[in-house]
Amino acid sequence: VQLVDSGGGLVQPGGSLRLSCAASGLTFSTYWMNWVRQAPGKGLEWVANIKQDGSEKYYVDSVKGRFTISRDNAQSSLYLQMNSLRAEDTAIYYCACSTYYYDGSGYSFNPSFDSWGQGTLVTVSS
Amino acid sequence: EIVMTQSPVTLSVSPGERATLSCRASQSVGSNLAWYQQKPGQAPRLLIYGASTRATGIPARFNGSGSGTEFTLTISSLQSEDFALYYCQQYHNWPLMYTFGQGTKLEIK
Repeated sequence: VQLVDSGGGLVQPGGSLRLSCAASGLTFSTYWMNWVRQAPGKGLEWVANIKQDGSEKYYVDSVKGRFTISRDNAQSSLYLQMNSLRAEDTAIYYCACSTYYYDGSGYSFNPSFDSWGQGTLVTVSS
Repeated sequence: EIVMTQSPVTLSVSPGERATLSCRASQSVGSNLAWYQQKPGQAPRLLIYGASTRATGIPARFNGSGSGTEFTLTISSLQSEDFALYYCQQYHNWPLMYTFGQGTKLEIK
């Protein structure tokens, strides 16, 4: 499994940015996908997730109404549209996919994050 | 919101010794807990899920235990590559929410 994050950069407060995550080595359409961020020198914060078919999306309260997660299963790609950016959104953003494990009789799902992208840095500053 | 608290913030241990890291949840999360390792400049790596199941390829010296509100990650016979940051994560409210602990830095004594 390989996840490659891109799209980060420097943006002014109030601006917008769209992050992408290109997936390979997995059947992308069968995975819940997530975005997780890490502010400089700080811990991990889950940002959003999206169901396999895009019908369910959930967000951490601090980004609700400003960020939108989406996916394109034909392109094996995950996106995060970030609007009305604030200084506190400055962070490395990682995409991550949930875990499937073999339990002896088949594969089962676990909501933990088995594979991660390398991260892309978003800096919000004037 | 379920708050995850890790202790200690920093743990100093000598190579070859055992390290014990703790994670406490503000309310019961059952066994819906994972542990991650993160090294500088790298993405996190999944170590343990379901509170006690090692992820694929994780050495047997990593062991997770606990349920409800109290969890422990034990690393027996520390190797040089084990010195890193460790985070716990609860997914009891999946898919609505995940929360991480603030992390424990495991450093060489």
